[in-house]
Amino acid sequence: DAKTTQPTSMDCAEGRAANLPCNHSTISGNEYVYWYRQIHSQGPQYIIHGLKNNETNEMASLIITEDRKSSTLILPHATLRDTAVYYCIVRVEYDYKLSFGAGTTVTVRA
Amino acid sequence: SAVISQKPSRDICQRGTSLTIQCQVDSQVTMMFWYRQQPGQSLTLIATANQGSEATYESGFVIDKFPISRPNLTFSTLTVSNMSPEDSSIYLCSVGLGQGGQPQHFGDGTRLSIL
Repeated sequence: DAKTTQPTSMDCAEGRAANLPCNHSTISGNEYVYWYRQIHSQGPQYIIHGLKNNETNEMASLIITEDRKSSTLILPHATLRDTAVYYCIVRVEYDYKLSFGAGTTVTVRA
Repeated sequence: SAVISQKPSRDICQRGTSLTIQCQVDSQVTMMFWYRQQPGQSLTLIATANQGSEATYESGFVIDKFPISRPNLTFSTLTVSNMSPEDSSIYLCSVGLGQGGQPQHFGDGTRLSIL
């Protein structure tokens, strides 16, 4: 059962910010939001995760709405190397299992 | 994060044969997992590899088809048994580094083709 909903695909311009939305309207209080991406022929790469506060690291920012029913991953300056499938996943703190949906295919164009 | 190495990176096998995939981590980890990614599809969890006990399999996956070993905290193997063309997939190992909300990290996978 899909816990998250993401757009199937997105195009982004190189050098611009890429904003990737994710809906998780049934998220529970103890579930984190995780973002991974998978570049062609590689394993999924962890990007960022959060519980309720906004988070930022060297790769991206994660904005979680106050009701926690949706979130946005922001890649501040997209490059061609950011072209990948991006997965938004919710997971409880004590259960490591990850349930991958179809994700969003992001294409960064020059 | 951890460095996760899988061997082989790819293989082409004959139907009816078996292949063992190795996953080596550069540090001791609590949790190790095996996933399958069929062509054009997303990842599906096969099982959790438990150190010192039998693996825990997800619905639709059985030990006879996908036997798993985990002899220590840095190594695991997945065997794909009696292969058929439907087993052509990427098989990925992942590890969990700690408790709480810590993320999993993945190897680059083994690309398996069955003729």
